[in-house]
Amino acid sequence: AQKVTQAQTEISVVEKEDVTLDCVYETRDTTYYLFWYKQPPSGELVFLIRRNSFDEQNEISGRYSWNFQKSTSSFNFTITASQVVDSAVYFCALSAVFSGSARQLTFGSGTQLTVLP
Amino acid sequence: KAGVTQTPRYLIKTRGQQVTLSCSPISGHRSVSWYQQTPGQGLQFLFEYFSETQRNKGNFPGRFSGRQFSNSRSEMNVSTLELGDSALYLCASSPGTVNTEAFFGQGTRLTVV
Repeated sequence: AQKVTQAQTEISVVEKEDVTLDCVYETRDTTYYLFWYKQPPSGELVFLIRRNSFDEQNEISGRYSWNFQKSTSSFNFTITASQVVDSAVYFCALSAVFSGSARQLTFGSGTQLTVLP
Repeated sequence: KAGVTQTPRYLIKTRGQQVTLSCSPISGHRSVSWYQQTPGQGLQFLFEYFSETQRNKGNFPGRFSGRQFSNSRSEMNVSTLELGDSALYLCASSPGTVNTEAFFGQGTRLTVV
């Protein structure tokens, strides 16, 4: 079974601050994929980033960056210089390859990010 | 390129009725998955269809069913509605291979009264 934990229920920051969203996952599969999605008030889940379990290289994409550490089963997501438009609920998700659920996303409970002007 | 389209956006139904939700995936995508989102249970996987076949199913009662047509459009049906079925139902579209991300529609907000 897979499990994704987002311990931060709500985070509030002031515009231009950096913010890191935490994600811890559990899986017995050796090959899996990790995702971050954003859900604005409109309801649509917007894809942000995807990471493979065999690639621990951390990257930066614009104002987004992520820190994937297999040793601690963590996949944290950072927004640099936050903006009001970043306010949304952020979900971390996991899909495993060989447990029969390769295309089934297991989501965390989400973190509500509020960026104040 | 058009995104994932879900219809209707909002629905109000009475307990005991049945409902059908529709999802049109991104052109060229062959996989459609359905998720239920509630405040209490969060986002939960319902099922996935690929080339008209159900490929994976979550832990939901048989009242929840779905199908996929030859043009990849999918429908989800819930029979004998219960108050607890009130939720946002999200459809996800993807090419269908394991190393690709899913793209979601705006969802159908179902309220059961």
